[in-house]
Amino acid sequence: AQSVSQHNHHVILSEAASLELGCNYSYGGTVNLFWYVQYPGQHLQLLLKYFSGDPLVKGIKGFEAEFIKSKFSFNLRKPSVQWSDTAEYFCAVMDTGRRALTFGSGTRLQVQP
Amino acid sequence: EAGVTQFPSHSVIEKGQTVTLRCDPISGHDNLYWYRRVMGKEIKFLLHFVKESKQDESGMPNNRFLAERTGGTYSTLKVQPAELEDSGVYFCASSQLTSGRTDTQYFGPGTRLTVL
Repeated sequence: AQSVSQHNHHVILSEAASLELGCNYSYGGTVNLFWYVQYPGQHLQLLLKYFSGDPLVKGIKGFEAEFIKSKFSFNLRKPSVQWSDTAEYFCAVMDTGRRALTFGSGTRLQVQP
Repeated sequence: EAGVTQFPSHSVIEKGQTVTLRCDPISGHDNLYWYRRVMGKEIKFLLHFVKESKQDESGMPNNRFLAERTGGTYSTLKVQPAELEDSGVYFCASSQLTSGRTDTQYFGPGTRLTVL
């Protein structure tokens, strides 16, 4: 069974700091990759996704992620975080054989003003 | 366009009781998924409907859980009888039916279930 690892469980940053959240997955075949975000009191929202093509994916709110196949990684980045980015972030993988998403354990990001 | 809705938002029941959760997918979405997050752990897949048919129920924990999607519209997830370890947040998601495997799943707000 595939698994997804998010290395950071809780990250605290000051506004304007750069962000990188790690995500590694175990499945060796063709995968679709996602980052979801859950803001306080809100539902899970899609930040960005990778299906194929350019491994550098741009999402909403200035986020981007890079798919590195050789490292089985899909790290999320943002050059300058804002207080409003305080949320929980989830990396997820879908292998192309089935549609179920496998999620990482999530990373709580706290941005201090 | 309305998003995925779930009812109730919270449910508190006693061990041994029955609870039914409901999910209304985005209109026109034939794929419907149930997921669960227990005690701050990772979100785990439960099952997948395509229209009214169960496509994949490999994540259902045991036979106390019964999911239905009569008519291919809304879905219910019944837990009977509920146990303490069933506490958690139950998420529903939906996506359009596509011939490939590139659909995006849209999530509802979740139902927080507490079993006492």
